[in-house]
Amino acid sequence: ETGVTQSPTHLIKTRGQQVTLRCSSQSGHNTVSWYQQALGQGPQFIFQYYREEENGRGNFPPRFSGLQFPNYSSELNVNALELDDSALYLCASSFSGTGDSPLHFGNGTRLTVT
Amino acid sequence: RKEVEQDPGPFNVPEGATVAFNCTYSNSASQSFFWYRQDCRKEPKLLMSVYSSGNEDGRFTAQLNRASQYISLLIRDSKLSDSATYLCVVFNYNQGGKLIFGQGTELSVKP
Repeated sequence: ETGVTQSPTHLIKTRGQQVTLRCSSQSGHNTVSWYQQALGQGPQFIFQYYREEENGRGNFPPRFSGLQFPNYSSELNVNALELDDSALYLCASSFSGTGDSPLHFGNGTRLTVT
Repeated sequence: RKEVEQDPGPFNVPEGATVAFNCTYSNSASQSFFWYRQDCRKEPKLLMSVYSSGNEDGRFTAQLNRASQYISLLIRDSKLSDSATYLCVVFNYNQGGKLIFGQGTELSVKP
């Protein structure tokens, strides 16, 4: 069974730039969720994709956008980066988005915006 | 008010101690409840689900009080390997499929 993999593991960007983070879901999982975790905080929900459609969104501005592909892998795109976007970005996959299917997290991408 | 609030921590306990973590949630319509564990600089991993009747998994016991909107986690006979951050997590299907995490409580078990 292949777990959730994210790339890159670390990234440094400059304010105003754009970034794309990638996630391959665990085999058999059709739902991908993205979370942002600032230092010392719990993960904050960004959005969820189920079968290539956005299935829910947290309190993040439109410059945070995403995609899910037919193989259920996913991308998170952030435009016009701000210093406060520096965080650990976690991707999690599950069999469904109903809450009764455990989330399996990837190792995360640590983004630093300078 | 945060949707999920946990004891601020950190908790520093000796090996063998019993430690309890508390968590409250604000949305009475929440449907599912979990404890996740996160090791330093690692991803969160599901520790256990929390059921209304309370449930136990080895040294770990989880309790849910829906009337008080309160969740707890008890760890008995603490091990060094229990050192981690424990995240209280709540799910409400009507909120777009998202899990809502507390800020976490850090536990450090000392020899």
